[in-house]
Amino acid sequence: QVQLVQSGAEVKKPGASVKVSCKASGYMFTGYHIHWVRQAPGQGLEWMGWINPNNGGAFYAQRFQGRVTMTSDTSSDTAYVELSSLISDDTAVYYCAKNNWFGGFDFWGQGTMVTVSS
Amino acid sequence: DIQMTQSPSSLSASIGDRVTITCRASQGISNYLAWYQQKPGKAPKLLMYAASTLQSGVPSRFSGSGSGTDFTLTISSLQPEDVATYYCENYSSAPLFGGGTKVQIK
Repeated sequence: QVQLVQSGAEVKKPGASVKVSCKASGYMFTGYHIHWVRQAPGQGLEWMGWINPNNGGAFYAQRFQGRVTMTSDTSSDTAYVELSSLISDDTAVYYCAKNNWFGGFDFWGQGTMVTVSS
Repeated sequence: DIQMTQSPSSLSASIGDRVTITCRASQGISNYLAWYQQKPGKAPKLLMYAASTLQSGVPSRFSGSGSGTDFTLTISSLQPEDVATYYCENYSSAPLFGGGTKVQIK
């Protein structure tokens, strides 16, 4: 069965960087984009961008450009998102999600809580 | 930029009631719309894509309709396990979520 398993919670200081992983199983990793979506406490969903594991190509939401990097490792079927220059407003649950070619995201990771605090 | 507006932001209904949630796009997006259900502390779950296509395994009491700018998600008979926040998502270009609708039992 399809599974996306994310790395554990992180606590970072303002100005630092964080890297979250998402290990995929149960499907052909290189066949589908992986998207990253975040959710601040009590707030809605915010799309951050996608990575194409087949060729490493990535596309980022405008508001994160220059601060986010999405990568993938086909040897371990793992996708990564790294966010730099963290501020308190980056405190959120970060989700990876598998693209459904017919629309939407059909499988999601369990989420990784990132807390930015001095 | 396209804006996605969901309404209402919250609602309370009785078990068995018909519940309708609306999502409006600021410009036409054809049928490039998905709906998700999110329960507290859990990841979102895909309910519907292409505005009206039910994702595998989703109960048939959920239905979707619309095209262009106006879309609806309907729960034909509200059940206790449907308590959740529902989001629409436009994927005609860069994915964009609506603000969410919190559904509670009266």
